[in-house]
Amino acid sequence: QVQLVESGGGVVQPGRSLRLSCAASGFTFTSHGMHWLRQAPGKGPEWVAGISYDGSNKQFLDSVQGRFIISKDIAKNTLYLEMYSLRAEDTGVYYCAKEITAYTYGYDAFDWGQGTLVTVSA
Amino acid sequence: ETVMTQSPATLSVSPGERATLSCRASQSVSRNLAWYQQKPGQAPRLLIYGASTRATGIPARFSGSGSGTEFTLTISSLQSDDFAVYYCQQYNHWPPYTFGQGTKLEI
Repeated sequence: QVQLVESGGGVVQPGRSLRLSCAASGFTFTSHGMHWLRQAPGKGPEWVAGISYDGSNKQFLDSVQGRFIISKDIAKNTLYLEMYSLRAEDTGVYYCAKEITAYTYGYDAFDWGQGTLVTVSA
Repeated sequence: ETVMTQSPATLSVSPGERATLSCRASQSVSRNLAWYQQKPGQAPRLLIYGASTRATGIPARFSGSGSGTEFTLTISSLQSDDFAVYYCQQYNHWPPYTFGQGTKLEI
């Protein structure tokens, strides 16, 4: 059974940094593209960043490009999102998600974790 | 960016009735469309991918149809557990993946 467990959320001041983690289990971590998405209060989901199954390709939402870093630790079966220069508009629940098809990257639907809340506020 | 528009924003139906939710894309997304269900305080749950393929464990009362720019999610006989917000998502043109604003299904 696929499990994606996010952690690392919290309240942070504008301009500060935060690192989110996503512990993955129940599937072959090295075979699936992985993504971070977020959802602001009362809004629909928004895709934030993605990393290919082999870690060689990474893509970002324009508004986070240069501020966020996505990475994966294969030995720990863990996906990370490092967030720098945080802004109020980065507030939301951050979800880790895996592509449902193995050995592809992009062009696929997602299985989601339960999310972790990030609040950027002074 | 591909804009996804869902209608209606809110749909009021009774248990046992059929519900039809619509999703329109600003450009063709072929059949690269997914539907998700989200209940309060929970993550989105994949229902349909490839416009019409049910995800693992999804009951047969959920069905998806469409291609190109027009898509429909039909719930054939609503159960109390189905009242939630439903989102469509295109994965044909990315980055970024884009979602509709959601349809709230209420009693």
